[in-house]
Amino acid sequence: DVKVTQSSRYLVKRTGEKVFLECVQDMDHENMFWYRQDPGLGLRLIYFSYDVKMKEKGDIPEGYSVSREKKERFSLILESASTNQTSMYLCASSFPAGEGEQYFGPGTRLTVT
Amino acid sequence: SQQGEEDPQALSIQEGENATMNCSYKTSINNLQWYRQNSGRGLVHLILIRSNEREKHSGRLRVTLDTSKKSSSLLITASRAADTASYFCAASFGANSKLTFGKGITLSVRP
Repeated sequence: DVKVTQSSRYLVKRTGEKVFLECVQDMDHENMFWYRQDPGLGLRLIYFSYDVKMKEKGDIPEGYSVSREKKERFSLILESASTNQTSMYLCASSFPAGEGEQYFGPGTRLTVT
Repeated sequence: SQQGEEDPQALSIQEGENATMNCSYKTSINNLQWYRQNSGRGLVHLILIRSNEREKHSGRLRVTLDTSKKSSSLLITASRAADTASYFCAASFGANSKLTFGKGITLSVRP
């Protein structure tokens, strides 16, 4: 079974802090994604990556950056956390030769105070 | 926006009844997928239907796709309390593996 893990289930940070969210997958997937999920807005894509050291902006990249130094790990970075970044963050991975089925981690609920 | 739109936003049914959820999208797709999310957890892939397919079954799940109407339906038969969750449709466009998700449907199955 594909396993996608995220470094924390719950995280509380202060405004202005630099925040790192880590995601690791064990299925050798090339594609990895970061989403945020907010009530009434569904899932919105922040960034995605098709390969190591490769990244592309999603629909809402402002205030975020990412890092993909190894194939299995995709990190989301909040350079200076703000209260409007309080959200559920979901990481996913997929195999490019497949039909795009994505495998999700359990999510990190981030609260910025 | 290419985002899928689910209908209804919330659905409450009695255990044993069937649950039907609808999804509409705006442009041509490669495939349409349905995911389930239990409260506070990640999404789990349920079923995928390709653009050249009209109906697909998996256990108690039945999904249909009408590309002329740009819509899909997910039917859960003989629902159980354990089916209580949020359900999302996701459309695959273009040559990459990106998905565009709807806002989700909250299904409550009363025991």
